[in-house]
Amino acid sequence: NAGVTQTPKFRVLKTGQSMTLLCAQDMNHEYMYWYRQDPGMGLRLIHYSVGEGTTAKGEVPDGYNVSRLKKQNFLLGLESAAPSQTSVYFCASSYGDSPSGANVLTFGAGSRLTVL
Amino acid sequence: GQNIDQPTEMTATEGAIVQINCTYQTSGFNGLFWYQQHAGEAPTFLSYNVLDGLEEKGRFSSFLSRSKGYSYLLLKELQMKDSASYLCAVKDSNYQLIWGAGTKLIIKP
Repeated sequence: NAGVTQTPKFRVLKTGQSMTLLCAQDMNHEYMYWYRQDPGMGLRLIHYSVGEGTTAKGEVPDGYNVSRLKKQNFLLGLESAAPSQTSVYFCASSYGDSPSGANVLTFGAGSRLTVL
Repeated sequence: GQNIDQPTEMTATEGAIVQINCTYQTSGFNGLFWYQQHAGEAPTFLSYNVLDGLEEKGRFSSFLSRSKGYSYLLLKELQMKDSASYLCAVKDSNYQLIWGAGTKLIIKP
């Protein structure tokens, strides 16, 4: 079982360039998430999806777009990269969420993005 | 605003016990999670508390006091492989996870 796979693992961009991060999960999870992790800060939610064809904004959505055309894939796009988007990006997935339930996240290995 | 506080870094000795504290101020509470993250790797789930009290899982235990907005993660019989960051996260009234910045635990021989 691969779990959650992110590609690419590393990428260097110039300001203004665009790119797409791909997340794939093979656990048949309904929910998928994109987070960014910066030094000295907690994980921050960028966008998330509660099922195929759905997306929703998280805490820090500006400058990013997402798509979930297939249940197993969740794409994160940067249309015009900025140095402030230099970060480590984590994709995660879960079966779902119940108000009082333990919605355990399975994370991918991370994608380190540097914007010059 | 919503806030999760954890110590930035802690040091402990192999074989000893360490307690990592987490205090939170969130709009509502629907559970508290602890995740472990080794350097350069993905976070992995350790524990979940939604009711007050202690949850034990092998060498790791997690405690919750909702009235105090407080949790701790207790690690016993420390091993070198326990060197990692420990992330505390609270699910708020909107069922969104609010994450602490993590506590880097350094284990010395």
